Amino acid sequence: DTGVSQDPRHKITKRGQNVTFRCDPISEHNRLYWYRQTLGQGPEFLTYFQNEAQLEKSRLLSDRFSAERPKGSFSTLEIQRTEQGDSAMYLCASSMGQSSYNEQFFGPGTRLTVL
Amino acid sequence: KQEVTQIPAALSVPEGENLVLNCSFTDSAIYNLQWFRQDPGKGLTSLLLIQSSQREQTSGRLNASLDKSSGRSTLYIAASQPGDSATYLCAVVELYGNKLVFGAGTILRVKS
Repeated sequence: DTGVSQDPRHKITKRGQNVTFRCDPISEHNRLYWYRQTLGQGPEFLTYFQNEAQLEKSRLLSDRFSAERPKGSFSTLEIQRTEQGDSAMYLCASSMGQSSYNEQFFGPGTRLTVL
Repeated sequence: KQEVTQIPAALSVPEGENLVLNCSFTDSAIYNLQWFRQDPGKGLTSLLLIQSSQREQTSGRLNASLDKSSGRSTLYIAASQPGDSATYLCAVVELYGNKLVFGAGTILRVKS
């Protein structure tokens, strides 16, 4: 399977704990995006990387959130001191492009439940 | 700030019906518009992508139109089937932007 993969698919944690999610983009895709989707809503943009550079961050990405993409390959999204409001589906997408927009391909998502 | 609205929020139809899902966006300065399908608890599957210079795209029983000047798009599904039951999401990319801005989706149920 050469699609976008995410791990874990589900995560249940207690409030105050730290969690980390991983996304592996489609091979050779240089752009990687993170979105968050709460129940009954469309996904909302969190951040995006071009290669290893984080080029844009949403105001939704509070100080407790940090994303990395070392070496421009896989990416991790860490949430520190989780809160119940962090419960959501976290979606990763990747695309190939330099200056113009190219179609984004989404992974299956990581569903986070904070108790 | 770009806002995307989808109407109706939910739709239930008998199998075989043709149906139309609506999407509107507040800022017509978009690069393209994309329709996605999402099954419960799953990720997003891209259905159709329409560049801003195009008026429509077709794939099988699906046809999407774009009227950029009025800020509207429609997704037409012909001869609906129970397997079409899912949430359909519309998203736009603004000029000089890279992120997708999504609507809240239309939940479609096709009854057999």
